[in-house]
Amino acid sequence: AQKVTQAQTEISVVEKEDVTLDCVYETRDTTYYLFWYKQPPSGELVFLIRRNSFDEQNEISGRYSWNFQKSTSSFNFTITASQVVDSAVYFCALSEPYMAGTASKLTFGTGTRLQVTL
Amino acid sequence: GAVVSQHPSRVICKSGTSVKIECRSLDFQATTMFWYRQFPKQSLMLMATSNEGSKATYEQGVEKDKFLINHASLTLSTLTVTSAHPEDSSFYICSAQIGGRETLGAFFGQGTRLTVV
Repeated sequence: AQKVTQAQTEISVVEKEDVTLDCVYETRDTTYYLFWYKQPPSGELVFLIRRNSFDEQNEISGRYSWNFQKSTSSFNFTITASQVVDSAVYFCALSEPYMAGTASKLTFGTGTRLQVTL
Repeated sequence: GAVVSQHPSRVICKSGTSVKIECRSLDFQATTMFWYRQFPKQSLMLMATSNEGSKATYEQGVEKDKFLINHASLTLSTLTVTSAHPEDSSFYICSAQIGGRETLGAFFGQGTRLTVV
């Protein structure tokens, strides 16, 4: 069975601080995908990144960066120079292997609530 | 623009009535749609997976007679909460699987906040 653990329930930082959100996963599959989503107070889920299990390269997108360490089954997310607009709940998720023509279910972590204050 | 449109965004209904939530994929064909439920300050829990033209597959513990899912076309899936009760109050989100692995997990509806009074 798949499992995603986000041990940090809530994090509070002051604007311009860097913050890292942790994500640890468990799966018996050799191929899988990992995801991060942002859920602002309005509720909609904003897709941030999808990472293939074969691709361990770290990725940077503006102030966001992701560190994928297969050896420790972790996929951490760092926001550099945080801003008030970054305040939201962030979810890490893990999918079943992708096979054309079949449904790939996602398993979500419990989320980390990030509060960025002035 | 949005690839997946979910409607309504918010609904209040009386206990005992039924509520229908629609999830449409815009301009794309979604062979599979997923329905999630999220209680306040909790994670998203998969309720069911619906495939166009066939019966939905429900996750363990989800009552299929209470949460009716219909996926009659490649662009529309509906979730009907039958005989709703206050404990069904929750945030419901759909997700469409469109295309191949390059779009996996990318498309979610805006969500529906259901309040049963």
